[in-house]
Amino acid sequence: EVQLVESGGGLVQPGGSLRLSCAASGFTFSSYEMNWVRQAPGKGLEWVSYISSSGSTIYYADSVKGRFTISRDNAKNSLYLQMNSLRAEDTAVYYCARDRKVEDWPFFDYWGQGTLVTVSS
Amino acid sequence: EIVMTQSPATLSVSPGDGATLSCRASQSVSSNLAWYQHKPGQAPRLLIYGASTRATGIPARFSGSGSGTEFTLTISSLQSEDFAVYYCQQFNNWPITFGQGTRLEIK
Repeated sequence: EVQLVESGGGLVQPGGSLRLSCAASGFTFSSYEMNWVRQAPGKGLEWVSYISSSGSTIYYADSVKGRFTISRDNAKNSLYLQMNSLRAEDTAVYYCARDRKVEDWPFFDYWGQGTLVTVSS
Repeated sequence: EIVMTQSPATLSVSPGDGATLSCRASQSVSSNLAWYQHKPGQAPRLLIYGASTRATGIPARFSGSGSGTEFTLTISSLQSEDFAVYYCQQFNNWPITFGQGTRLEIK
């Protein structure tokens, strides 16, 4: 069974840092591209970052570029999001999501349950 | 950035009735579009990819159509478990973008 379990969320002050983790199981993690998606309170889903299966290709949303860093450790079946210079507007539930393609049509087929990040003084 | 606009923001429907949700892209996304269902406290659930292909295990009452800039998610004969927020998502261009969501509520 595919499982994605996020951890590392919590309360942090503005300007602070936090590192999120996503532990993957039930599939060959090294074969899949991965993403982080967030949902601020009362808002919709916002894509945050993408990383290819090898880690060689990375993309970020403009809202986090220069502050967040996505990475992965295929030996540990884990995805990470290092978040620096956090702002109140980064407060959200953060989900990791597996990227997949069927007949060239991409989608996110499995998502974790999310971890809450609250940026407040 | 491609802006995805969903309408209506909220749709009130009685169980057993059908519902039609719309998603419009600010420029063509071909058929690189997916639909998700999201309930509070749960992970989003993939419904449709490639604009019209149902994901594994998704009931036949869910159907997707459209290409280019106009897309529709149709749910026939709504069940109690279908009341949730629905999002469209485009993969045609970076950054990946979602619509703002349509809340489907019980009338």
